[in-house]
Amino acid sequence: DIQLTQSPSFLSASVGDRVTITCRASQGISRYLAWYQQKPGKVPKLLIYDISTLQSGVPSRFSGSGSGTEFTLTISSLQPGDFATYYCQQLNNYPLTFGGGTKVEIK
Amino acid sequence: EVQLVESGGGLVQPGGSLRLSCAASGFSFSDHYMDWVRQAPGKGLEWVARARSKANSYATEYAASVKGRFTISRDDSQNSLYLQMNSLKTEDTAVYYCTRRSGGSWTFDYWGQGTLVTVSS
Repeated sequence: DIQLTQSPSFLSASVGDRVTITCRASQGISRYLAWYQQKPGKVPKLLIYDISTLQSGVPSRFSGSGSGTEFTLTISSLQPGDFATYYCQQLNNYPLTFGGGTKVEIK
Repeated sequence: EVQLVESGGGLVQPGGSLRLSCAASGFSFSDHYMDWVRQAPGKGLEWVARARSKANSYATEYAASVKGRFTISRDDSQNSLYLQMNSLKTEDTAVYYCTRRSGGSWTFDYWGQGTLVTVSS
């Protein structure tokens, strides 16, 4: 199974901060890496797919990058609505797997 | 508008069975792979199972944690996805989400609201 390790698992930041979350895969996953945002009590929302492609309707302050086994999600200027938990997911191999999540909280 | 509506969750004793349903609308259901993803209380996301489309022979995939106990199926004539869960364990307690795999990418672009399954004596 491909393990996805997200870091940090918890992040405290202020509105306007630049935030970077890392997702490391235990083996190569080609381009099949996605990022989701989940707010408390809500359904996960797709933000980015294929490493760096922004899902329709997602603000441009979100961006994804990386290759091979190391990937990042960057929020260029954190907004109040961005405080949530973020998950990476690989879709290259079965079983499909998610990272453990990164909770972004208000500083 | 794409909609996925799950039903069938509830309280069941360990060893029991439950069948979840997902009613889909607003898109060509038969063209899409469909998946179940679960989330235990206060925990992260876990992929459970996949049902491929008719074009891919309705082939299925399962997480190791549910293989042999859960069965995913679909009825394209009813635009519905199902998850038959047998031999339930306390660790199966979770919110179960029905998800659609995007036609353009391999990601889950739409999620249902989820249905809570509680396995407890």
